[in-house]
Amino acid sequence: DAGVTQSPTHLIKTRGQQVTLRCSPISGHKSVSWYQQVLGQGPQFIFQYYEKEERGRGNFPDRFSARQFPNYSSELNVNALLLGDSALYLCASSSARRGYGYTFGSGTRLTVV
Amino acid sequence: AQKITQTQPGMFVQEKEAVTLDCTYDTSDPSYGLFWYKQPSSGEMIFLIYQGSYDQQNATEGRYSLNFQKARKSANLVISASQLGDSAMYFCAMREGLDPTYGGSQGNLIFGKGTKLSVKP
Repeated sequence: DAGVTQSPTHLIKTRGQQVTLRCSPISGHKSVSWYQQVLGQGPQFIFQYYEKEERGRGNFPDRFSARQFPNYSSELNVNALLLGDSALYLCASSSARRGYGYTFGSGTRLTVV
Repeated sequence: AQKITQTQPGMFVQEKEAVTLDCTYDTSDPSYGLFWYKQPSSGEMIFLIYQGSYDQQNATEGRYSLNFQKARKSANLVISASQLGDSAMYFCAMREGLDPTYGGSQGNLIFGKGTKLSVKP
């Protein structure tokens, strides 16, 4: 079975631009979460979606938005990019299985210049 | 206040020896789950082991075991017989709230800052 797939793997954007990151969950997983990991830190929660509805939002500005599609894939959008948005963006999909519910993709490494 | 604290920025261990990575947590929720993830330089977060707050026994998964001391709010990861491939960042994480298999919601993970483990040949 395919794992969580994220695209693109790397991205370079200019300050002020907009970016869209994509995530395809494991087949059968209905929940997708997004995390931001800046260099030297642990991942920080951005959004969680379940059955196309937002179930949680972390402490991020409104420049960050996301959505989930009927096939449970998800997009994360970031507007008006700042240098501080440079990070590894991780997507995790989850099922209801006890303890093993969070499977992460390899991430999208975003560099804002 | 930090919800997950990992006090060891870096650790060294000799190949084939055991190593303990520390993690303390802070929550007032009686229901929570504790996770350990490994992150190699490729970036992917690899799940290692899980402990639920109501679990009576410490979790084990192959060479990984979790030393769960609830009263002290600690959840240390023990890696036995270290291998060169174990060199990576290790993150402790917590999910507050009831486990989804008991009817709770999925919830988000709260991560610590990580410990960089280096295994020496």
